[in-house]
Order: sequence, then structure tokens, then C-alpha cells
Amino acid sequence: EAQVTQNPRYLITVTGKKLTVTCSQNMNHEYMSWYRQDPGLGLRQIYYSMNVEVTDKGDVPEGYKVSRKEKRNFPLILESPSPNQTSLYFCASSWRNPYNEQFFGPGTRLTVL
Amino acid sequence: KNQVEQSPQSLIILEGKNCTLQCNYTVSPFSNLRWYKQDTGRGPVSLTIMTFSENTKSNGRYTATLDADTKQSSLHITASQLSDSASYICVVRDNAGNMLTFGGGTRLMVKP
Repeated sequence: EAQVTQNPRYLITVTGKKLTVTCSQNMNHEYMSWYRQDPGLGLRQIYYSMNVEVTDKGDVPEGYKVSRKEKRNFPLILESPSPNQTSLYFCASSWRNPYNEQFFGPGTRLTVL
Repeated sequence: KNQVEQSPQSLIILEGKNCTLQCNYTVSPFSNLRWYKQDTGRGPVSLTIMTFSENTKSNGRYTATLDADTKQSSLHITASQLSDSASYICVVRDNAGNMLTFGGGTRLMVKP
């Protein structure tokens, strides 16, 4: 089944403790992206990647890192999480660029205490 | 700055009724507009895409319209069902780059 998977789905952590949210897609998509969704603010793009070893900042990249060493994986790294990073995170992928339909993962709900 | 505004923010309708959701954008130059449906606790799923030359497009009970002159789009839902309860998100892409601008969404609740 074609899909985007994220892990973990739920995470509660404390300020400053480094964490990684994994994202994997099995559709051989070149484009991958991370979003956060907050009430009243909608989806905001954190980082995106056009292909392996190519990443770019989105609208709200501060406090986040990403890497794209393999085509299928696009992990999101929070080196020192803070409470304002408490949010619902979505990974998405598509062919070539976001003109094509993006397929979203199931979401990761992160709480930073 | 590119912006996408959706209205209403939330809407409650009775099962079987029709409704229309609005999306106004300031994205320029315009490339395309996509409507997504997001069920609670899940990722968004694409309903339809509208390009500059398209005025109307249907996907089952969903009909999207686009007026590129006034920079407005609407999503009309006919004969609503309980399963239509979700958030509907309008996303606009410009021709200048690879970033998308997301609307805040309309939260629709269909009641029996």
C-alpha cells in the first residue's frame, strides 16, 4: 500500500531533550516536506526537500533540522525542544514538486513540557 | 506577502443540506489551487486541483470553482453526509517558487 508513515504518533517530552520524528514514504517521491499545524494558524511549512541531499527552509524553520540522505526518509530533528514547539506535525511527499498532489502522513502529536 | 483566507472558520449543517466554503487568496503569480479534506486526527487528502484555465471541477458531491480575476475559489458540497464532517483546507501555489500557502481551513460539522 502506497503510504507515508511517521513515528512516533504521539510523544511527550521535556524541554531540551533532543528528539527525532521519522518520516518514510514508499512511493519513490522526490519531494518531501514537514509541516506543523496549530489551532487558528493552519498548516505551516517547516522544511522541504526536492531530492536526496537537497533541503530548504519553509516558513517556520527555527528550532528544527532535517536531513535527506535517502529518497524514502526525511527525519525531523528537534535538537533542543521548547514548549512553543508543542504541535501536530505532518510529513508529506509528492512527485517532483508540490504542484502534484501531496500525500500526508498520519501526523505526530508532540507535547514539550 | 502571499495569503490565503478561508471562510467561514466553522460551519454546522444538517445532513442532506448543501453548503459552500470560500477561499480568497493574494498569491501571485498564481499557478494552482488545491482543496484538501482533513478528517480529525488524520492527514489532509486532496479533493481537487484548480489551474488558471479551469472555472469549475467536480469530484462526486464536491464541486470547486475558481475565479482567477477576483482570486476567489469555492467548494460546494451537495447533499451532505455525516462523513463530510472534517476540516477543508485551501492551498495555493505560486509560479515563482516551490512553496505553498495554506489557508486556515473551514471546520465543517454535519449533524443528523
